[in-house]
Amino acid sequence: ETGVTQSPTHLIKTRGQQVTLRCSSQSGHNTVSWYQQALGQGPQFIFQYYREEENGRGNFPPRFSGLQFPNYSSELNVNALELDDSALYLCASSQILERETQYFGPGTRLLVL
Amino acid sequence: QQQVKQSPQSLIVQKGGISIINCAYENTAFDYFPWYQQFPGKGPALLIAIRPDVSEKKEGRFTISFNKSAKQFSLHIMDSQPGDSATYFCAASKRQGGKLIFGQGTELSVKP
Repeated sequence: ETGVTQSPTHLIKTRGQQVTLRCSSQSGHNTVSWYQQALGQGPQFIFQYYREEENGRGNFPPRFSGLQFPNYSSELNVNALELDDSALYLCASSQILERETQYFGPGTRLLVL
Repeated sequence: QQQVKQSPQSLIVQKGGISIINCAYENTAFDYFPWYQQFPGKGPALLIAIRPDVSEKKEGRFTISFNKSAKQFSLHIMDSQPGDSATYFCAASKRQGGKLIFGQGTELSVKP
């Protein structure tokens, strides 16, 4: 059984640019959630995807968007990057019948300069 | 609005001692309460979780105590070891809700 994987591990962007982060869910899991974790804080829910559709969204602006693919992998896209977007971005996978039981990947560390 | 409050912010325990971390929640609709362990540079790892139909759940050295009337739950780490040094997060969710609400985290340091 493979765990949740994310790429890239680290990324440096400048303000105003766009970024795409990728996630492969744990085998057998069909639901993917994305979280933002600022330094010294707990993760904050961005959104969740199931069957390639957004299935719940947290308090994040529309410049945060996502995709889920038929193989359940997912992308997080952030447009018009701001300095405050610097954070660890975490992907978590789960089964739809137990969406709350989520297993996290190692994260992508994004630095916006 | 801070829906899950966690304390203490940091904790130092001697090897072999008991580490206790507390969380309080506000939303009575929450019915799933996990604890995550996070090492520096890593993602959170699910440690143990409880649903409100039981007051205690134990897995090895880790125990969750749950008080539904007080809307509080806690993590006890028995026989704490230096390898337990990490940041611990409590969280809460509605069953089938999909959105985990996390506490602010507790940085645990276990001294040899």
